[in-house]
Order: sequence, then C-alpha cells, then structure tokens
Amino acid sequence: ETGVTQTPRHLVMGMTNKKSLKCEQHLGHNAMYWYKQSAKKPLELMFVYSLEERVENNSVPSRFSPECPNSSHLFLHLHTLQPEDSALYLCASSQDTGLPTGELFFGEGSRLTVL
Amino acid sequence: AQKVTQAQTEISVVEKEDVTLDCVYETRDTTYYLFWYKQPPSGELVFLIRRNSFDEQNEISGRYSWNFQKSTSSFNFTITASQVVDSAVYFCALSEANRDDKIIFGKGTRLHILP
Repeated sequence: ETGVTQTPRHLVMGMTNKKSLKCEQHLGHNAMYWYKQSAKKPLELMFVYSLEERVENNSVPSRFSPECPNSSHLFLHLHTLQPEDSALYLCASSQDTGLPTGELFFGEGSRLTVL
Repeated sequence: AQKVTQAQTEISVVEKEDVTLDCVYETRDTTYYLFWYKQPPSGELVFLIRRNSFDEQNEISGRYSWNFQKSTSSFNFTITASQVVDSAVYFCALSEANRDDKIIFGKGTRLHILP
C-alpha cells in the first residue's frame, strides 16, 4: 500500500468541465508536489507546497488551481482544460522541501483525458 | 542551466542478462544531488538511490549498482541478472543544492525484460 494516495485514478472530462484531483499522504511529510507526466516529455514540476504554503509555481496556466488545506491533503482543481493537458498527474510528498533529503514519495497518479 | 539526458528511450533484454541505463547530466553547481527512480506499470515512481556530488564511490544494492563519474558527468545504473519484474521506466534526476525544490527528471528509459 502506497503512502501517497491519489483519486481518481482515471478521469475523462470535456473542455468545459470542472473537476478536481485529490492527493492524500499518510507519511507525516511537510511538503507536497504536483507533477505532470506527458508522453515523451520529462516529468514537469507544477506546484510545491511546504507546510500548506505554496512555495513554487512553475508558470502553470491558471486553468490549474492547487489547494493545500493541510499538510496531508493536496488538490488540483481543473477547469476549461485543453486536450494537450491530457497526461498523468502525479502527486508526491517529502519530509521537507529542503535537501539533502530529496527523496520524493509518489502516488500512482491520476490519468487525465481531456476531450 | 541544469539538464538530465537519458539517451536510451527504450531497451529490451532477455531475462538474466545485465543491462546498463545511461544518464548524463549538466550543472554549473559544485554541490548537487543525483537520483534514480523506477516507475513500474502501476504508475508511482519509486525512489532507488540518491548520491551527492562529493561522493563518487560506486554503490551496489543487490542486483543494482550505480557508477558515478564526475569526469564524464555520468551516473549510470546497471541491473545484473535482470528479471521480468525489473520491467519499468527508469528516471534519472538532478537537483542543485541551492534549488532545493527543483528535482529535474530525465525523459526516462523504458526497460523491457523479456522472459
């Protein structure tokens, strides 16, 4: 059983829909991340939260809106997405954002398809 | 700028063969960290190893071994006596000490172990 749980595992949505991805970590970590994994592209860091505060936003379009209500939960709210946003969205956590820990614990991802 | 190159997009070997996954990195920092992650079909990335730039000692863990060579900016990963369960996508990643949130991943190498 993974320490990071993501729901839903699969999501199909139209471009006008609003949906949310949920991530929950059971590891007592202080930092949480959203990554985007597209076919044939490197993993892209989208957002970083440390102790519920956003510390990194890698120029992600506003149609992606993160929310971190507490250190165990992370959401990614989606609205008016484009077909090119179809990807595997991975949530990760780490003890803290600072190195040298650097070890990320990933969830199994939410496979998003935008029609 | 930092960059991680995994030139091998996809590799297939027969079970019990040895296989080496290549990773070449670029960074201007003298202090940095290198990682390998494994992504099995279930989707979650699993941390395998972290190595800091001051420790060039090679490491062996069971059938896995890592060869870190600063002179060639490489951090290669070898699986000895491969098994079907080793089939996965393997990612090399880099993080600079002064950019602690940014773990930059390579594009990954998809490894097929054929029975």
